[in-house]
Amino acid sequence: AQSVTQLDSQVPVFEEAPVELRCNYSSSVSVYLFWYVQYPNQGLQLLLKYLSGSTLVKGINGFEAEFNKSQTSFHLRKPSVHISDTAEYFCAVSLIYNFNKFYFGSGTKLNVKP
Amino acid sequence: GAGVSQTPSNKVTEKGKYVELRCDPISGHTALYWYRQSLGQGPEFLIYFQGTGAADDSGLPNDRFFAVRPEGSVSTLKIQRTERGDSAVYLCASSPYRGAYNEQFFGPGTRLTVL
Repeated sequence: AQSVTQLDSQVPVFEEAPVELRCNYSSSVSVYLFWYVQYPNQGLQLLLKYLSGSTLVKGINGFEAEFNKSQTSFHLRKPSVHISDTAEYFCAVSLIYNFNKFYFGSGTKLNVKP
Repeated sequence: GAGVSQTPSNKVTEKGKYVELRCDPISGHTALYWYRQSLGQGPEFLIYFQGTGAADDSGLPNDRFFAVRPEGSVSTLKIQRTERGDSAVYLCASSPYRGAYNEQFFGPGTRLTVL
């Protein structure tokens, strides 16, 4: 069975500090990987995705993530956060042979403080 | 352009009642998805449509849940004999065509509360 683990339910950070949101997955087959962001009272929005190729993926708003197959991880990073990055972030995977079915983690709430 | 819209935004019902939740996908998107997000959890896959047909309904929790997309555009999620455990935010998403290369665009969700 597939599963996605986001160990940190909440991450407080000061503005302009770096941040890393952790995501680990479990799957017996190859996967595609995604990060979505949910701003208050808005729908989920795609930040970035890894399908193949370079393991370092750059997304919108200065975020990037690195796929580590040996550690089954896909951690999200940003070198300097802004107040506007305050939101909930979800990691998701889909199987390469059934890519329309997403498995989401439980989310990490990023709280950027001034 | 217009994004995915869902109506109603909030629905309060009593245990045992029947509810319908509507999703209007982005115009031209052939793939449509339903997810359920319980409090403190990530979205959970329910069903996926390609055109008018349900290509994967493996996430529907039981036979009280049913979804249709008769003309390949608007979709309705139907829940019979609602239970308190059905309370959640129901999310709809659409994409231009099936495939991981195509982003799923999410609507704002319908918050269902079963009293």
